[in-house]
Amino acid sequence: NAGVTQTPKFRILKIGQSMTLQCTQDMNHNYMYWYRQDPGMGLKLIYYSVGAGITDKGEVPNGYNVSRSTTEDFPLRLELAAPSQTSVYFCASSSGDTSTDTQYFGPGTRLTVL
Amino acid sequence: DAKTTQPNSMESNEEEPVHLPCNHSTISGTDYIHWYRQLPSQGPEYVIHGLTSNVNNRMASLAIAEDRKSSTLILHRATLRDAAVYYCILDNAGNMLTFGGGTRLMVKP
Repeated sequence: NAGVTQTPKFRILKIGQSMTLQCTQDMNHNYMYWYRQDPGMGLKLIYYSVGAGITDKGEVPNGYNVSRSTTEDFPLRLELAAPSQTSVYFCASSSGDTSTDTQYFGPGTRLTVL
Repeated sequence: DAKTTQPNSMESNEEEPVHLPCNHSTISGTDYIHWYRQLPSQGPEYVIHGLTSNVNNRMASLAIAEDRKSSTLILHRATLRDAAVYYCILDNAGNMLTFGGGTRLMVKP
């Protein structure tokens, strides 16, 4: 199993450009998440999904969009990149077992907006 | 959400035990105590979790106070590969994790 994979690993964007961060998991997990991590800080939840076709906002959703058309994929879209979106982005997945759930994280995408 | 308090950083010598404390005085009866760690330049990884009783797994042990207002993650023999940021997180399901600043563990050879 590859687990959670993310592409690209690194990206530099100009202000106003758009891009999609890709996330795929092969564990047949229902739940998927997007986090961002600013330097020296903990992770903050951007969006999450509890199953295909269902998404919801997390703590910091502004400036981002998501979709979940399949169980495996959960792309994150930045429409108009801003310097404040410079961060490391982590995708995660979990089974959704409410008593003992564990999140599995991808390796991250380091995004710089100039 | 119930919050946790952890020291910003700790140091340990290699091959010695490490006790990482976490205070969570506002924990609710249904909150599980989760520990994740983040190695340099990697995503977080699950370490251990518990509700009331102490827990052991191949990575670590979790000691939970009787009143559940604090807990301690125990690494029995620290190695250089254990140098990471350790996050103590409360959640009643494990689905919606709120990461604080964590404790940066430095391991000296």
